[in-house]
Amino acid sequence: DTGVSQNPRHKITKRGQNVTFRCDPISEHNRLYWYRQTLGQGPEFLTYFQNEAQLEKSRLLSDRFSAERPKGSFSTLEIQRTEQGDSAMYLCASSLAGGPYFEQFFGPGTRLTVL
Amino acid sequence: KNEVEQSPQNLTAQEGEFITINCSYSVGISALHWLQQHPGGGIVSLFMLSSGKKKHGRLIATINIQEKHSSLHITASHPRDSAVYICAVRPSLGGATNKLIFGTGTLLAVQP
Repeated sequence: DTGVSQNPRHKITKRGQNVTFRCDPISEHNRLYWYRQTLGQGPEFLTYFQNEAQLEKSRLLSDRFSAERPKGSFSTLEIQRTEQGDSAMYLCASSLAGGPYFEQFFGPGTRLTVL
Repeated sequence: KNEVEQSPQNLTAQEGEFITINCSYSVGISALHWLQQHPGGGIVSLFMLSSGKKKHGRLIATINIQEKHSSLHITASHPRDSAVYICAVRPSLGGATNKLIFGTGTLLAVQP
């Protein structure tokens, strides 16, 4: 399967714990996006990388959130001191840079439950 | 008010029916996406369009840029079409980010 993959698919954690999610984009895609989706809502933009550079972060991304893409390939999203409000589906997408008519390909998501 | 509005929020249809889901947006865009999400699953891109109409199998997507409106049609609906359908737009003033703004989705249930 050469699509976008995310691990783990599900994560249950206790409030106050740290969690880390991984996203592996489609191999030739240089853009990578993180979105968050809460129940009954559409996804919301969190952050975006072009290669290894993190070029934009949403105001939704508090100081407890950090994302990296160290070699311009896979990316990690870490949430420190998790809160119940962090419970959501975290989606990763990738695309090729260039042109306004790009298409983003989404991974299966990581569902986080904070108890 | 959300920048991307979908209607209806919930839709129940009988197998074989023709289905229409609508999306209206309030920003200038360079592209609009229709996406499908199954319960607990990831998102699959159905269409990306910037003008006119696209067709893939039983799915048809149309867009009217002047009216800032798009529709997704499903002909001869089937229970396996049951999913959440999400409209997302790429604002034309979004800069280099290409981030998408999503609607809240339409939950479709097709009954046999």
